Amino acid sequence: KQEVTQIPAALSVPEGENLVLNCSFTDSAIYNLQWFRQDPGKGLTSLLLIQSSQREQTSGRLNASLDKSSGRSTLYIAASQPGDSATYLCAVRDYNTDKLIFGTGTRLQVFP
Amino acid sequence: GAVVSQHPSWVICKSGTSVKIECRSLDFQATTMFWYRQFPKQSLMLMATSNEGSKATYEQGVEKDKFLINHASLTLSTLTVTSAHPEDSSFYICSASRGGLSTDTQYFGPGTRLTVL
Repeated sequence: KQEVTQIPAALSVPEGENLVLNCSFTDSAIYNLQWFRQDPGKGLTSLLLIQSSQREQTSGRLNASLDKSSGRSTLYIAASQPGDSATYLCAVRDYNTDKLIFGTGTRLQVFP
Repeated sequence: GAVVSQHPSWVICKSGTSVKIECRSLDFQATTMFWYRQFPKQSLMLMATSNEGSKATYEQGVEKDKFLINHASLTLSTLTVTSAHPEDSSFYICSASRGGLSTDTQYFGPGTRLTVL
């Protein structure tokens, strides 16, 4: 059964720091991996989607990498800002079940 | 593009009543729609998958008679929580994808907060 874990569960940093959020999954048989942002009480905003054949994707200050064989992905946030404060979720589209399996999230707080 | 809306954004109801939540794809046709539930400080759990014009597929442990899903058109899916109880209080999020391929992106709605008194 596919399981997705995110470390750390919470992170508090001063503005301007570069951050790395980690996501690991137990079964490398995936179609893709996606990173989302969720603000309190809100829905999900898709940040980056990496297909299983890709190694990384970039959007602005965000860079996500995927190492499928080791079951890991990282989300790199450059020059963090208070507006980046949110919960970040990663999810894999599992090959065996064809379902999107979510991690438990990392709650990020960036203070001025 | 690829906007998904949900209505209502929040609802409070009495125990024993039924509540309907709508999920709409505003600018694309959604072959497949998904319903998720999220309890406080937990991640999203898939409840069911629905394809337009056919019966929904429910995940193990989700009562299909309690959570009625209808996907009557390519832009609308509804989730009805029947005879709601306080333990059904949760954040319900839908998503929609254009096609049925496993590599198709799911676009998520803003969620509906259900509180059952």
